[in-house]
Order: sequence, then structure tokens, then C-alpha cells
Amino acid sequence: GAVVSQHPSRVICKSGTSVKIECRSLDFQATTMFWYRQFPKKSLMLMATSNEGSKATYEQGVEKDKFLINHASLTLSTLTVTSAHPEDSSFYICSASPPTPQINEQFFGPGTRLTVL
Amino acid sequence: QKEVEQNSGPLSVPEGAIASLNCTYSDRGSQSFFWYRQYSGKSPELIMFIYSNGDKEDGRFTAQLNKASQYVSLLIRDSQPSDSATYLCAVVTSGTYKYIFGTGTRLKVLA
Repeated sequence: GAVVSQHPSRVICKSGTSVKIECRSLDFQATTMFWYRQFPKKSLMLMATSNEGSKATYEQGVEKDKFLINHASLTLSTLTVTSAHPEDSSFYICSASPPTPQINEQFFGPGTRLTVL
Repeated sequence: QKEVEQNSGPLSVPEGAIASLNCTYSDRGSQSFFWYRQYSGKSPELIMFIYSNGDKEDGRFTAQLNKASQYVSLLIRDSQPSDSATYLCAVVTSGTYKYIFGTGTRLKVLA
């Protein structure tokens, strides 16, 4: 199956710093990638849809200036959490869709656990 | 608001039994339906998808879709302790390619 990687898998940072998370599709080109956030014992909440070569589309309530998304190539999207605060601590997961629009299948990366002190 | 609902559980079944997981959705125009398994601290992994009414089987897993009643279910035959996880239902609603996830059902298979 399609493989999606994320880096780093775990990061601890101080309040006020910025953290960049990378999401890569390893064996397919993904024109669309998605960023999710998951709090403990909760389901995945879509934060934004990342499209290669264009601006990301953010879900309602997600601050685009705080969560910067860049989709620089067909295999790489990055999420930067700017001026992180403890309430940003969460499990961040990306996904990517192979070019089979009829199915809309998404493959998930392993996730990045962010802890802001 | 488009919603996807699942019983949070936990659903406990003995080893070897059939586990039945259900999911209902509100958008009648939904096109694709996915079941993911998520172990604690890990990201979701795809079990199977379905987009036509009826049953779809893959090994020990069977997905069932009933668009008229707006529900999709997942049956796990011969349940194993390793199947213990949270099962997430995801629906692609009409006019988009985005997933809406249910809250997930926690399954416990007792040895």
C-alpha cells in the first residue's frame, strides 16, 4: 500500500517557539494532503487541506497564521506551529491521497506528538 | 451539520466471536465510506473501504453499506486479542473529498 512518513515523530518545545512537522508521500505523488489534530481519547479533527502549488484551505476555527502549511512539492507538505503554547500540545497526523479520486482513499502518516512546555 | 456517529464503547467480545461495529451518517449524498483501526498512540490504518450498497469481504473483515438507512458496519470474524483497538468510521460527504470521522468505537477482545 501507499506509504506516508512524518518527521519528527515526537517533539518537545518551549512555549513561544515554532515547530515544523514534515509529511512525505514516499511511493506516490499526492496533489492533496490533509492535516489532522487528535486530542487524547478523541477522534481526528481535520485542520486543513493542503494542495500542491496553492494555498491551504483551513477548517473553521483553525488559525491560518498560527498553523502555517506549505505544500512545496507533490510529495512534501509541512505544518509549522508558530508561537506554540501548551494548549497546542496534541497528536498531529497528516494523510495523503493517491490519484484515485473515485475512491478518495487517504493514507495516514505515523503522527507527530507535540508537547509544549 | 454533517455528522458521523459511532457508539464509543467499549465493546467487549470473547476471542473467536464476531465483533459488530456500526456507524451512521447524516449526509444522504455521501459517496465513500472507510473503516480505520487505530491502536493507542498510533495513527489510523486503513482496514477497508466501501462505496456500493451491500457487503464487501476482505479476509476476516466484512463491511456492509446501506445507503437507504444511512449506516455502514464492520464485522470482524474470529476476533483476536490483537484486534483490540479503536475503530474509526470515516465518510466522504457529497461535494467534497474530505473525511468526516466518527468518534470511534473501542473494541476489546477478551482472551
